[in-house]
Amino acid sequence: DGGITQSPKYLFRKEGQNVTLSCEQNLNHDAMYWYRQDPGQGLRLIYYSQIVNDFQKGDIAEGYSVSREKKESFPLTVTSAQKNPTAFYLCASKGTYSNQPQHFGDGTRLSIL
Amino acid sequence: GENVEQHPSTLSVQEGDSAVIKCTYSDSASNYFPWYKQELGKGPQLIIDIRSNVGEKKDQRIAVTLNKTAKHFSLHITETQPEDSAVYFCAASKNDMRFGAGTRLTVKP
Repeated sequence: DGGITQSPKYLFRKEGQNVTLSCEQNLNHDAMYWYRQDPGQGLRLIYYSQIVNDFQKGDIAEGYSVSREKKESFPLTVTSAQKNPTAFYLCASKGTYSNQPQHFGDGTRLSIL
Repeated sequence: GENVEQHPSTLSVQEGDSAVIKCTYSDSASNYFPWYKQELGKGPQLIIDIRSNVGEKKDQRIAVTLNKTAKHFSLHITETQPEDSAVYFCAASKNDMRFGAGTRLTVKP
């Protein structure tokens, strides 16, 4: 089955710790995205990547970092600089053309210990 | 850049009634408008989309209308069922996709 897999489903972070959220897709999509969703809120774009080895900041990139070494993978690191990391994190991917939908994973819920 | 506004933020209907969610967008160059349904603890799932060369699209109980002149589009769900209860997001895209803030739909049995 083609799709996007996010892991883990739940993640806990201690103060001062970096944590990495995994996102893998087997849809052969070029573009990948990371969003943050707070309770009762919409989707805010953290980072996106249109192609391997290239990525751009979204609206709320501070305190986060990404890499795109492989087409299938777009991991997100939540650094200790992100002071309010508790949220639901969603990864998405999209095909080449602009008028195509983004396909989402089932998210990772990050909480502070 | 694109800005998408979505209304209402919450909507409660009786089972069997219709539900309508409305969105407006700011960038007249946007040409693709998907709608997503998000259930609790899951990622948004595409339920229907429309491109700017079409004014209306239907898929069983779900329909979307697009008014390019007024820059607004709407989701219509007929004969609502309790399993339609979820958060619905609209989006508008030319190159970058922008999402509305979401509508929490509750269908009461």
